Amino acid sequence: QVTLKESGPGILQPSQTLSLTCSFSGFSLSTYGMCVGWIRQSSGKGLEWLANIWWNDDKYYNPSLKNRLTISKDTSNNQAFLKITNMDTADTATYYCARSPNWELGYFDYWGQGVMVTVSS
Amino acid sequence: DIQMTQSPASLSASLGETVTIECRASEDIYNGLAWYQQKPGKSPQLLIYNANSLHTGVPSRFSGSGSGTQYSLKINSLQSEDVASYFCQQYYNYPTFGSGTKLEIK
Repeated sequence: QVTLKESGPGILQPSQTLSLTCSFSGFSLSTYGMCVGWIRQSSGKGLEWLANIWWNDDKYYNPSLKNRLTISKDTSNNQAFLKITNMDTADTATYYCARSPNWELGYFDYWGQGVMVTVSS
Repeated sequence: DIQMTQSPASLSASLGETVTIECRASEDIYNGLAWYQQKPGKSPQLLIYNANSLHTGVPSRFSGSGSGTQYSLKINSLQSEDVASYFCQQYYNYPTFGSGTKLEIK
């Protein structure tokens, strides 16, 4: 059974760095072709893909946010991470991690429950 | 980036009806399209990938079709549990999503 769960700070102030963790089970990020991605959802912008990381440590970022994003993984502990620098109120959203069983950009077949992140002074 | 235009924004239909939701891409996406269902307070769930392949466990009343820039999701014999928002996503280029269709029962 594939499960993913996001964790994060909940609330942070403008200009701070957001650190998110995705803990997953039921698959391994050392499996050939496996990938984990991050997607966020806000009432203003809808669903927005942020970044993907593959089993071989390849990474791909949304070009409009690339300068602010860093994705990484800890394969032995079944975790993926996302950092977003210089957070703004416009980054207030629910952040999801999701599995993508594709060795290039693709669909997401299992999603976490999401973590709500509010940016406020 | 590839823009996904989804229609309608909202839809009201009766139980047992057939409904269709459309997505138009700003350029050819070569069947690199998925459909998701999202119920209130829940995360999106994959329904269809590669434009017309049904994800494991998804009822056969859901189907996808299309090619080029035009794609559609059809729900046959609408059930009460189908009340949700539906989103398309293209992955021919870096992933982008449609703005969603909110489906209600009349």
